[in-house]
Amino acid sequence: NAGVTQTPKFQVLKTGQSMTLQCAQDMNHEYMSWYRQDPGMGLRLIHYSVGAGITDQGEVPNGYNVSRSTTEDFPLRLLSAAPSQTSVYFCASSYKNIQYFGAGTRLSVL
Amino acid sequence: QQQVKQSPQSLIVQKGGIPIINCAYENTAFDYFPWYQQFPGKGPALLIAIRPDVSEKKEGRFTISFNKSAKQFSLHIMDSQPGDSATYFCAASFQGGSNYKLTFGKGTLLTVNP
Repeated sequence: NAGVTQTPKFQVLKTGQSMTLQCAQDMNHEYMSWYRQDPGMGLRLIHYSVGAGITDQGEVPNGYNVSRSTTEDFPLRLLSAAPSQTSVYFCASSYKNIQYFGAGTRLSVL
Repeated sequence: QQQVKQSPQSLIVQKGGIPIINCAYENTAFDYFPWYQQFPGKGPALLIAIRPDVSEKKEGRFTISFNKSAKQFSLHIMDSQPGDSATYFCAASFQGGSNYKLTFGKGTLLTVNP
């Protein structure tokens, strides 16, 4: 099994550009989530989903959109990238309180 | 409001030492306390977890100690090895239902010198 797959691994954007970070899981987990990791800030929850068609905001949702049309996929959209969104982004899926993380996407916004 | 406070921010020990990482939580409704380990360039992975009905849990060289009255829990790594060098995150959540939302501490960067 591939587990949780994130693409791309690296991305550089210019301020104001939009993009979508892809996340796919093959474990049939209902719960999926997006985090950002910044030095000294730990992992902060951006958005999460408890199943297809159901999403909710986490701790730091501003500037990000999500949708969940299938159980497998949970993309994260940056609407208009800002330098403050430079970070490492992790997607995770969960089963019985265990979260399985992808390898991350390192994003730089210039 | 930071619901899970983790300390220290970084820790350096010699091989064979016993690093201890501490966490404190505020919400008494939390009932599941995992630790995640993250190596450079990788995503975090579950290391060990405890529920508040026990005071200690061991898995190999890793031990969680839990103090419900003080709302604190800690990770001890026995006979630490250079391969244990990583960032460690404590977390807390609520069991049950379909919402597995975790609240993470800010992380501890552990370096084990040979």
